[in-house]
Amino acid sequence: AQSVTQPDIHITVSEGASLELRCNYSYGATPYLFWYVQSPGQGLQLLLKYFSGDTLVQGIKGFEAEFKRSQSSFNLRKPSVHWSDAAEYFCAVQGAQKLVFGQGTRLTINP
Amino acid sequence: KAGVTQTPRYLIKTRGQQVTLSCSPISGHRSVSWYQQTPGQGLQFLFEYFSETQRNKGNFPGRFSGRQFSNSRSEMNVSTLELGDSALYLCASSLDHPRDTEAFFGQGTRLTVV
Repeated sequence: AQSVTQPDIHITVSEGASLELRCNYSYGATPYLFWYVQSPGQGLQLLLKYFSGDTLVQGIKGFEAEFKRSQSSFNLRKPSVHWSDAAEYFCAVQGAQKLVFGQGTRLTINP
Repeated sequence: KAGVTQTPRYLIKTRGQQVTLSCSPISGHRSVSWYQQTPGQGLQFLFEYFSETQRNKGNFPGRFSGRQFSNSRSEMNVSTLELGDSALYLCASSLDHPRDTEAFFGQGTRLTVV
């Protein structure tokens, strides 16, 4: 069965600092991977996705993620965070007619 | 184009009652999925519908049910509500669920059971 692990429940970074959110997945075949962001009380917005090809994918809002098959990882990065990036971030893998999500990482930005 | 619309946004119900939530997908999308989000369990898959047929179901009791209409709109129903059913219920639509498409989420319905 597919599974996703986000090891960090809560991360705090200073505005302008770099960010890396970790994601590890378990999936038998080549995975389809996603990162979503959720602001309080809102739905999920897709940041980026990986289906195949280039293992470094670019997304919206300046985010990027790198797929590493050997490490079963799909970590999300941003070179310089803004206060508006404070939110909860979810990594997900595509299963059979469904998405399997990690537990999420809550990002707090210090001014 | 319009996004995924979920109604109502907020709902307060009493234990033992039943509730129906609605989801209107993006025009042209025929797949609709439902997820339950709670602080303790995170995001959990409820079920997925495509062309009025349920193709997949998560590990939830039979009190949770759904359906999809010919215009792809979907409803989910929870009967005999329990306090633990309090959650944010999210609906997502996609063109289909082959492995090369993406799901668009609605704002969710916040259900509180008292």
